[in-house]
Amino acid sequence: EAGVVQSPRYKIIEKKQPVAFWCNPISGHNTLYWYRQNLGQGPELLIRYENEEAVDDSQLPKDRFSAERLKGVDSTLKIQPAELGDSAVYLCASSFLAGGRLTDTQYFGPGTRLTVL
Amino acid sequence: GQNIDQPTEMTATEGAIVQINCTYQTSGFNGLFWYQQHAGEAPTFLSYNVLDGLEEKGRFSSFLSRSKGYSYLLLKELQMKDSASYLCAVREGDYKLSFGAGTTVTVRA
Repeated sequence: EAGVVQSPRYKIIEKKQPVAFWCNPISGHNTLYWYRQNLGQGPELLIRYENEEAVDDSQLPKDRFSAERLKGVDSTLKIQPAELGDSAVYLCASSFLAGGRLTDTQYFGPGTRLTVL
Repeated sequence: GQNIDQPTEMTATEGAIVQINCTYQTSGFNGLFWYQQHAGEAPTFLSYNVLDGLEEKGRFSSFLSRSKGYSYLLLKELQMKDSASYLCAVREGDYKLSFGAGTTVTVRA
């Protein structure tokens, strides 16, 4: 079974430029998460989708970050414009919501390592 | 919110046992997870505890005491491939995972 797929794996941009990350969750997983992981830290949740609906975006810096999950499968996270402090690994994870209860486990993709110069 | 503390680094010898402790303070506790993360790779699920006690899965075991806000991950018969970062994560409510900073384990020959 294929895991969570993310692209690109690495991205280097100059500050003030836009950048986008793509995620394809595990087949059949209807819940998708975007996390940011700074060096030496654990992942921090940015946004959570149930199908195509963003049900928790309280931690997403909405002035420059946006996300979408059209058709409830793939998702894109965008930063515009990027700042130096956005350098981090952006992780996507997915899980399956059934009968109003989440299964126990979130499965993570390999992440996109963003460097802002 | 929650405070999740785990040691920054641990070193052990191949074949030995290492115990990684995690303490947490949270409201709405709904389970504790351990993930393994090799450098540059995805966090991978290792174990899950929601009730007090020990969960054993091969060479890895995880323990939880909810009253003490404490968990540990026990790695037995260490192998070189076990060198990685180990993340303790607490679930609050239905889905929100909060992670510790991770413990980097180095296994030496």
